[in-house]
Amino acid sequence: QKEVEQNSGPLSVPEGAIASLNCTYSDRGSQSFFWYRQYSGKSPELIMFIYSNGDKEDGRFTAQLNKASQYVSLLIRDSQPSDSATYLCAAGGGNKLVFGAGTILRVKS
Amino acid sequence: GAVVSQHPSRVICKSGTSVKIECRSLDFQATTMFWYRQFPKQSLMLMATSNEGSKATYEQGVEKDKFLINHASLTLSTLTVTSAHPEDSSFYICSARGTRSSYEQYFGPGTRLTVT
Repeated sequence: QKEVEQNSGPLSVPEGAIASLNCTYSDRGSQSFFWYRQYSGKSPELIMFIYSNGDKEDGRFTAQLNKASQYVSLLIRDSQPSDSATYLCAAGGGNKLVFGAGTILRVKS
Repeated sequence: GAVVSQHPSRVICKSGTSVKIECRSLDFQATTMFWYRQFPKQSLMLMATSNEGSKATYEQGVEKDKFLINHASLTLSTLTVTSAHPEDSSFYICSARGTRSSYEQYFGPGTRLTVT
């Protein structure tokens, strides 16, 4: 059974702080990794994807991948109240993505 | 780029009727489309994968005769919930993948189905 595990949270951070979201996956054959943001009542929105070991930065977001540890993380710098949402981690090795249950992030102003 | 639309956004129907949901990729050709269902406070559950011009592949436990999927063109896939019952009430979301060499999926805005 291919699984993606995330801490459900909620993770609470003050405005302006760095939020760190983590994810582990069970399938070593996974080749692609994604972070989606989902606001309540809305569909997921792709914010980052990473295929290679190391860091990938896009604006305030940094995705980190460590395939040896089967670990993916997302850092959000200068967190804003508008970043409050559920963050879904997903891993893919073929046609499909396997999603984690999501981590609720709350940014307090 | 990578915009996916869904219609309708919200539908209320009576038990026993059928409902069709459309998913369109607006600015790219989607070789593969996916249909998910999400119950309140739960994660996404993949229902089926559809490739243009071929039969959909359903996940274990998903009734193919109840959830009919058609992917007639590279920009359109439809999900028909047949003989809907209250337990089918959920948030149905489609996603699309553009090319065979990329894994990114882009989601439509979702359809909230309520069966009374």
